[in-house]
Amino acid sequence: NAGVTQTPKFQVLKTGQSMTLQCAQDMNHNSMYWYRQDPGMGLRLIYYSASEGTTDKGEVPNGYNVSRLNKREFSLRLESAAPSQTSVYFCASSGRAEQYFGPGTRLTVT
Amino acid sequence: RKEVEQDPGPFNVPEGATVAFNCTYSNSASQSFFWYRQDCRKEPKLLMSVYSSGNEDGRFTAQLNRASQYISLLIRDSKLSDSATYLCVVNPEYGSSNTGKLIFGQGTTLQVKP
Repeated sequence: NAGVTQTPKFQVLKTGQSMTLQCAQDMNHNSMYWYRQDPGMGLRLIYYSASEGTTDKGEVPNGYNVSRLNKREFSLRLESAAPSQTSVYFCASSGRAEQYFGPGTRLTVT
Repeated sequence: RKEVEQDPGPFNVPEGATVAFNCTYSNSASQSFFWYRQDCRKEPKLLMSVYSSGNEDGRFTAQLNRASQYISLLIRDSKLSDSATYLCVVNPEYGSSNTGKLIFGQGTTLQVKP
């Protein structure tokens, strides 16, 4: 089992460019989540999807959009990247209570 | 007040030492509690769930005190490989409103020295 996978692992964008971060899980989990982690800030929830077909905002949704493509996949889109979105992005999935994380995407916006 | 608060450390201890981390949470209705471990530049990984009766997994013991809204993690006989950041995690939702969202503390850094 691969668990939770994320692509790409690293990305550098210029201000104003767009991109989509991909996440997939093979654990048949209903819920999926996108977080960002910045030094000194801990993990902050961007968006989540409690089940296929539903998405909701988390703590820091501005500048992002998400798509729950099917039960396995949950993507995060930056429409117009800003330097403030430089961060490490983690995807997670959950079947019951605990969450399992992907390896992360390190994004730099210049 | 933050929803989940931890002492950021760092805790620097020698190999073989016993070290304890504490965490407080603000929502008294919280139902699920966890400790995650995060190595430098890696994803958080579940270390253990925390049950009301307390639970132990090898050298690791977790305790929950609902009255004081307090969670602890005790590591005995510290190893060099225990060096990491330990995240206290709480699910503040319950019942039909539970979406599975977790609240993460900022983490406590442990450095075990030879």
